[in-house]
Amino acid sequence: DGGITQSPKYLFRKEGQNVTLSCEQNLNHDAMYWYRQDPGQGLRLIYYSQIVNDFQKGDIAEGYSVSREKKESFPLTVTSAQKNPTAFYLCASSLTSLGEQYFGPGTRLTVT
Amino acid sequence: AQSVTQLGSHVSVSEGALVLLRCNYSSSVPPYLFWYVQYPNQGLQLLLKYTTGATLVKGINGFEAEFKKSETSFHLTKPSAHMSDAAEYFCAVTPTSGTYKYIFGTGTRLKVLA
Repeated sequence: DGGITQSPKYLFRKEGQNVTLSCEQNLNHDAMYWYRQDPGQGLRLIYYSQIVNDFQKGDIAEGYSVSREKKESFPLTVTSAQKNPTAFYLCASSLTSLGEQYFGPGTRLTVT
Repeated sequence: AQSVTQLGSHVSVSEGALVLLRCNYSSSVPPYLFWYVQYPNQGLQLLLKYTTGATLVKGINGFEAEFKKSETSFHLTKPSAHMSDAAEYFCAVTPTSGTYKYIFGTGTRLKVLA
């Protein structure tokens, strides 16, 4: 089945540690996205990539980094510079930047 | 700048009653419009979309939405609510030209009462 996978589902880290969230898609989509979801705030865009080896900052990129070395993969690193990293993180992809987005199941990150 | 407003962060309906979730957008040109549904601790799933053509759009699970340009609205409806419809619903827009910007509303949590 085609789709988007995110791993792990739950992730726990100590403050000061960097952590990388995985996102893989086998839909052959060009565009991929990372969102952060907090209660009552909807989805906020962290980074997006419209093509391999290129990515752009979204609205809340500070404290995060990404890479796009392969079309199917778009990992997100939450660095120690991110002041409030505990959240639900969603990865998505779309065939083009104007198309509907397909979402992964999400990773819930808890930092203590 | 584009924006999306979802009126009512929480909506309760009785099982079998009409579901109406409101979405208004601001945009200098008509955007593409989407409704997504999210069940607890899951990703979002596309319910329906409007790009061009017929303004009444039918989606999955019996939902539909009507694009009204004059009212800059894209409200989501379902004639008869089912318990399984309890979830959070997000309206989203994306411009049809210019710089990419996919914008989500803050969501409406639908509760269905037995």
